[in-house]
Amino acid sequence: AQKVTQAQTEISVVEKEDVTLDCVYETRDTTYYLFWYKQPPSGELVFLIRRNSFDEQNEISGRYSWNFQKSTSSFNFTITASQVVDSAVYFCALSEVHMRDNYGQNFVFGPGTRLSVLP
Amino acid sequence: NAGVTQTPKFRVLKTGQSMTLLCAQDMNHEYMYWYRQDPGMGLRLIHYSVGEGTTAKGEVPDGYNVSRLKKQNFLLGLESAAPSQTSVYFCASRLNSGVGEQFFGPGTRLTVL
Repeated sequence: AQKVTQAQTEISVVEKEDVTLDCVYETRDTTYYLFWYKQPPSGELVFLIRRNSFDEQNEISGRYSWNFQKSTSSFNFTITASQVVDSAVYFCALSEVHMRDNYGQNFVFGPGTRLSVLP
Repeated sequence: NAGVTQTPKFRVLKTGQSMTLLCAQDMNHEYMYWYRQDPGMGLRLIHYSVGEGTTAKGEVPDGYNVSRLKKQNFLLGLESAAPSQTSVYFCASRLNSGVGEQFFGPGTRLTVL
C-alpha cells in the first residue's frame, strides 16, 4: 500500500537560514503524483506543488525548491533564506493514478513537519 | 468562485448530541473527502465520495455518516457525539482521480464536552 513518511516532526531555524523538509514515499505504481501542502497557524491548507512520477526535474519557485529523486523515493522541499512567514506545518502527499479497489483513497498524506522560523 | 466552503466554522456539542457539517464546492469536482486533524496525527480520512450518490469509508469512519445527494455538497453527520470526536474537520474536493490536487475548505473546529 502507498505510504508517505516525513521523519522530521519539528524543525526550528533562525530567519535567513536554509531548511530542507524530507519526504519519503512508498508505492507500487509507476505512475503517481506527489504534492506539498502548507498549513500556516491560521489553519487552512494551501497547495504548493504537484509533481508527476515521470518528471524528475527539480523545480524552483522563488525561495522554494523541490528535489524529486525516484531512486531514493524522496521528494524533498527546501526553503532558502527562510522567513518568519514560512512558519507552518508542511504536508507531503502521494496520489496513485491507477484504479484499485479503493481508488478514492489513493491520496495519502504524510504526518507533517512543523517548521518554526525564529526572528 | 468560492472554492470549498464549510459550515459551521466552530461548534460545541455535548456528549450524545447530533450535528451535521456541510461542505460545498462550486468547482464541479467529482471527488469529495472528509478528514479529521488531531494534534500529531496529520490528516485522517473519514469518508469520501467519488460522485453524486456514492460514498465510501475511509480510515476512521466509525461514529460518522455521510451523504452526497448533490454533486456540489458533501455532508458529514455525527449521530451521537463523543469527546473523542473533538477535532478539526476538513473537507476537500478534487476534479477526479489521478492527477489533480485536493482543494481544501477552511475547516470546522468541533468540541464535544
